Order: sequence, then C-alpha cells, then structure tokens
Amino acid sequence: EAQVTQNPRYLITVTGKKLTVTCSQNMNHEYMSWYRQDPGLGLRQIYYSMNVEVTDKGDVPEGYKVSRKEKRNFPLILESPSPNQTSLYFCASSPGQGLGPQYFGPGTRLLVL
Amino acid sequence: SQQGEEDPQALSIQEGENATMNCSYKTSINNLQWYRQNSGRGLVHLILIRSNEREKHSGRLRVTLDTSKKSSSLLITASRAADTASYFCATDDLNNDMRFGAGTRLTVKP
Repeated sequence: EAQVTQNPRYLITVTGKKLTVTCSQNMNHEYMSWYRQDPGLGLRQIYYSMNVEVTDKGDVPEGYKVSRKEKRNFPLILESPSPNQTSLYFCASSPGQGLGPQYFGPGTRLLVL
Repeated sequence: SQQGEEDPQALSIQEGENATMNCSYKTSINNLQWYRQNSGRGLVHLILIRSNEREKHSGRLRVTLDTSKKSSSLLITASRAADTASYFCATDDLNNDMRFGAGTRLTVKP
C-alpha cells in the first residue's frame, strides 16, 4: 500500500531535549516536505527536499533541521525543542515539486513542556 | 506565509444540502488543489485544477477557478454526515511553492 508513515504519532518532551520525528514514503517520490499545523494558521512549510541530499527552507525553518540521505526517508530534527514548537506535524511527499498532489502522513502531535 | 484564504471559516449545514467553500489567493499560480482533513489526521487530496481550467468535477465535488479574480470554489453536493471535516485549498505558485490556507471547518448534521 502506497503510504507516508511518521513516528512517533504522539510525543511529550521537555524543553531542550533533542528529538527526531521520522518520515518514510514507499512511492519512490523525489519531493518530500514537513509542515506544522497550528489552530487558525493552516499548514506552514518547515523544510522541503527535492531529492536526495537536496534540502531547502520553507516558511518557518527556525529551530528545525532535516536530512535526506535516502530517497524514502526525511527525518525532522529538533535540536533544542521549545514550547512554541508544540504543534501537529505532517510529512508529505509527491513525485516532484509542482507535480501534482501531495500525499500526507498521519501526523505527529508534539507537546514541549 | 499563507497564500490561500478560505471563506467561510466554519460552515454548518443539514445532510442533503450543498456546501460551498471559497478560496482566494494572492499570486499567480500553476494549479490549485483542495484537500480534506478529518480531525487531527493527515490531509487527503481531493481535486487539482490547473490554471488553464475553469471547472472540474469529481463525484459530488465541483471546483471552479477564476484566475482573473484569483479565487476558487469547492462545491459539495448532497452532503452527508461523513463529509464533516476541514477543507483546505493549496496553491502551487509559479516558483512551485505550495501554500495552504487556514481551512474551512464543515459540519454536516444528520
């Protein structure tokens, strides 16, 4: 089954404790992206990747890092989480940037205390 | 920054009625997409309309695009309780950047 998976689905952590949210897709998509969703603000793009070893900042990259060492994986790293990073995070993929719809993962709900 | 803005923010209708949601955007686009999100879950793609298209249908969904007014509408006909969800428009601009609006929360009462 074609899908985007994220782990963990729920995470409670404390300020400053490094964490990684994994994202994996099995559709051989070149384009992958991370979004955060906050009430009233819709989805805002954090980082995106057009292919392996190619990443770029989205609209709200501060406090986040990503890597794209393999085509299928695109982890999101919070080196020193802060309470303002409490949010719902989505990973998405598509065949290429601007090439049709994106496929979204189920989301990761993060609470930073 | 947001590109699309949906209107209304929330809509409540009875089962069987039609639901219309609107989206306005600011810059020129390659295409506009509509997504659906059930509470707290991932977005699901509904329909894509390209900038040279004016109307598109998919089942009970009808999407229109007016590039001169930089606006789009999503019509759901004969709504069902299962259509209760949030609906987002997303624009793919000329730089291939995709941006989402804040969404319309649709409630369909049985």
